[in-house]
This record gives sequence, C-alpha cells and structure tokens, in this order.
Amino acid sequence: DVKVTQSSRYLVKRTGEKVFLECVQDMDHENMFWYRQDPGLGLRLIYFSYDVKMKEKGDIPEGYSVSREKKERFSLILESASTNQTSMYLCASSYPGFYEQYFGPGTRLTVT
Amino acid sequence: QKEVEQDPGPLSVPEGAIVSLNCTYSNSAFQYFMWYRQYSRKGPELLMYTYSSGNKEDGRFTAQVDKSSKYISLFIRDSQPSDSATYLCAMSGVDSNSGYALNFGKGTSLLVTP
Repeated sequence: DVKVTQSSRYLVKRTGEKVFLECVQDMDHENMFWYRQDPGLGLRLIYFSYDVKMKEKGDIPEGYSVSREKKERFSLILESASTNQTSMYLCASSYPGFYEQYFGPGTRLTVT
Repeated sequence: QKEVEQDPGPLSVPEGAIVSLNCTYSNSAFQYFMWYRQYSRKGPELLMYTYSSGNKEDGRFTAQVDKSSKYISLFIRDSQPSDSATYLCAMSGVDSNSGYALNFGKGTSLLVTP
C-alpha cells in the first residue's frame, strides 16, 4: 500500500512566522503535489514537482515556496505566515504517467 | 465556468438506499476520471479510477463516464452509515494545461442514516 505521511496533523503558528510542512512518501513516486483545502473552495493546487530539485507553480503559489531535495520528500514553506493561510494542507504523490494521486492525512494549520 | 462542477449537497439517505453522485465538466480533453472519498478531518482516499467512457464496478461502487455529455457518476448500492463522507470527483487529460495535476470538484457531502 502507498503511504504518504505528513509531519504534523495540527499546527498553530503566529503571523509572520516561517512555517515548514513536510511530506514523505514510501512508494518511489516521482510526482508530488501540495494542495490546500478550504470550505466552499475545494482543493486548490499550490505547487507540484516531477522530480528531485524540480518544481512547478500550481494555481495559487503566492506566499508559498517548496523544496524537493530527495525523491521521497516534498516540503511546503510559508515564508511569512498570514491568517489567510489558515487551512487544511494536503500532500499527494503519484507515479509518472499515472493520474491517480495518493494523499496524506493532511495538516490543519491555524495562523493566529 | 469552472472546469468541474459538483453539487455540494448535503445529501441524506437512509441505510440501504442507492446513492447517485455526479459531476459535470467542460474540458473535452479530460480522459482520466477518479472518485475520492474523504472522511472528516482526513485526507482523500482513492475509491475508483476510470479511463475514457464506460462503466467500472468495484463491490458496491459503480463509476460511470459519459464523455459525450461530459458527465460522470458514482453509484453506491446498499449504502451503509460508514459511507458517510465527502465524495470528490477528479479528472485530467494529456492535453490539460497542468500535466498530471488533477482538476477536482468541490465535493458532495453524503450522510447515510441508520
């Protein structure tokens, strides 16, 4: 079974803090994705990566950056957290050439 | 117009009912269609995957794709309280702008009452 893990289930940070969200997958997937999920807005793609050290902007990259130094690990960085970044953050991964994505349990981030 | 439209519900049915969940889409390049189930405060779990038009059955679940109408459905037979969750449709295609990224519906909330 594919396993995608995220470093924290719940996180509370203050405005202006730098926040790191970590995602690790154990299935040697090349593709990895970061989404945020908000009521009424659904899932929105922030960034994705097709390979190590490679990244592509999704639909809402503003205020975020990513890092992929190892194939199994994809990090989402909030350089200076703001209250409008309070959300559920979901990481996913997939094999190259396949569209099915496997999700982690999510990190519920609250910025106060 | 959003690329993928999905009625948010909530949809409430009695245990044992047949449930029909639907999505419509506008991009004719979409060829890969998925249904995810998401329990409260959890990540989405892949339920069904279909390619192009047709039906696919897995136990109590049937996924149906009608590309001519740009309409996909998920049927749940003999629904159980454990089926209570939010169901998300997702789709993509080789010609879509975001490569292997998926286009999601906003999800339909389903409640199956005992």
